[in-house]
Amino acid sequence: GAVVSQHPSRVICKSGTSVKIECRSLDFQATTMFWYRQFPKKSLMLMATSNEGSKATYEQGVEKDKFLINHASLTLSTLTVTSAHPEDSSFYICSASGWREFNEQFFGPGTRLTVL
Amino acid sequence: GENVEQHPSTLSVQEGDSAVIKCTYSDSASNYFPWYKQELGKRPQLIIDIRSNVGEKKDQRIAVTLNKTAKHFSLHITETQPEDSAVYFCAASTSNYQLIWGAGTKLIIKP
Repeated sequence: GAVVSQHPSRVICKSGTSVKIECRSLDFQATTMFWYRQFPKKSLMLMATSNEGSKATYEQGVEKDKFLINHASLTLSTLTVTSAHPEDSSFYICSASGWREFNEQFFGPGTRLTVL
Repeated sequence: GENVEQHPSTLSVQEGDSAVIKCTYSDSASNYFPWYKQELGKRPQLIIDIRSNVGEKKDQRIAVTLNKTAKHFSLHITETQPEDSAVYFCAASTSNYQLIWGAGTKLIIKP
């Protein structure tokens, strides 16, 4: 149990375009999903927390108009990087909780975004 | 806000020896302490976790200890093997379910 998928695994895009990343919990209903960004050789940086049917809670310094998060169902959350710039290039990882205990988080495989 | 400190940042041990990674947390309300293993370019994998009502938990070669008074928790890996080489992260969580992450420890197992 507790399988989380993420798509796409890699994406290369031009500056100014938007990129959508999907995160799905495959075998459980995720009460909460989290979006992280990870720079090389660094820890995970929480960007936002999303609960199904409500607006995401963004961490300080994360632009909500740039990183749009939608949590339409208990198994799907999406992150859209709007008007991407090279500095948005990073490894984006989602996680989901709700499989057994609320604070256990299970991670998707991540999305490597490269903005040219 | 809550902070989690993790040490050391890099740990090199001989294959077969034990490895210990330590973390301290600041929020006394923290009640859940997971440890994740992350290989290069891959997702973090939960390897063991402990809750605040338990002082120690063991799963084969991996164990975690928690000292609530001192706000310390540690990961112990015995009989290390080459496949244990990875970056290990500790984290702490309170009732809001968010995880506060340590900075990570790069574990190198020397053959």
